[in-house]
Amino acid sequence: AQKVTQAQTEISVVEKEDVTLDCVYETRDTTYYLFWYKQPPSGELVFLIRRNSFDEQNEISGRYSWNFQKSTSSFNFTITASQVVDSAVYFCALSEATSGGSNYKLTFGKGTLLTVNP
Amino acid sequence: EPEVTQTPSHQVTQMGQEVILRCVPISNHLYFYWYRQILGQKVEFLVSFYNNEISEKSEIFDDQFSVERPDGSNFTLKIRSTKLEDSAMYFCASRLQVYGGSNQPQHFGDGTRLSIL
Repeated sequence: AQKVTQAQTEISVVEKEDVTLDCVYETRDTTYYLFWYKQPPSGELVFLIRRNSFDEQNEISGRYSWNFQKSTSSFNFTITASQVVDSAVYFCALSEATSGGSNYKLTFGKGTLLTVNP
Repeated sequence: EPEVTQTPSHQVTQMGQEVILRCVPISNHLYFYWYRQILGQKVEFLVSFYNNEISEKSEIFDDQFSVERPDGSNFTLKIRSTKLEDSAMYFCASRLQVYGGSNQPQHFGDGTRLSIL
C-alpha cells in the first residue's frame, strides 16, 4: 500500500527565509508519481509540481525547487526567499501507476502548515 | 485557464437527509475523482470514475455514497442519508488522459464544505 509521511506539522519562518518541506513516501511500485499541492487559507487545492519515478533530475522553477531522491524515498520541496503569500498548508501526494489500472488515485500526506511572518 | 467548478460552496444539511454535490470537470478531461478532507486532516480519496463507471473506490465510499455523470458536463456525488461524520470539505478533481504518456496531474475544484447538523 502507498503511504506519504510529512513529519513537519507546522513550520514558521520570517519573510525572505528559505524553507524546505519534507516528504517521505512508501510504495511497492517501480513506476509512480509524486506531487506537491498547496492549500491556502481560502481552502482550494492548487497543483504545484509533479515528478515521475524514473526522472530524478531536480529542478528549479522560480522560487520553487524540489529534491527527489529514490534512494531515500524522499521528495522535498523548497521555497526560496519566502513571502507572506506562501503561507498555506502544503501537501505531498503519491500515485502509483498500477493502482486500479490507469486510475492514478492520489494518496496525500497530512500536510505541513507553513506560516511566513512579515 | 480552464478550471474545475464545484457547487455549492457550502451546504448545510440535517442528519439523515440526502445531499448532492455537483462538479463540472475540465471539459477535455476523462478521469474524475472525489476526495474529502475532514477539518484539519489530510485529503482522502473517495472514488474515481472513468468511462461512465467507477474505476476504484475507498473503504469510505460505502453504500450511502454514489456518483453519477448525468450528462456530458456534470459529475455528482450523492450521499443518501447523511451522518454527522460526513461533515467535511469535498473536493472534485479531474485529469487529462494522455495515451502513451505519463500521469497528468489532477486539477481540483475549490471544494464544497458540507456541514451536517
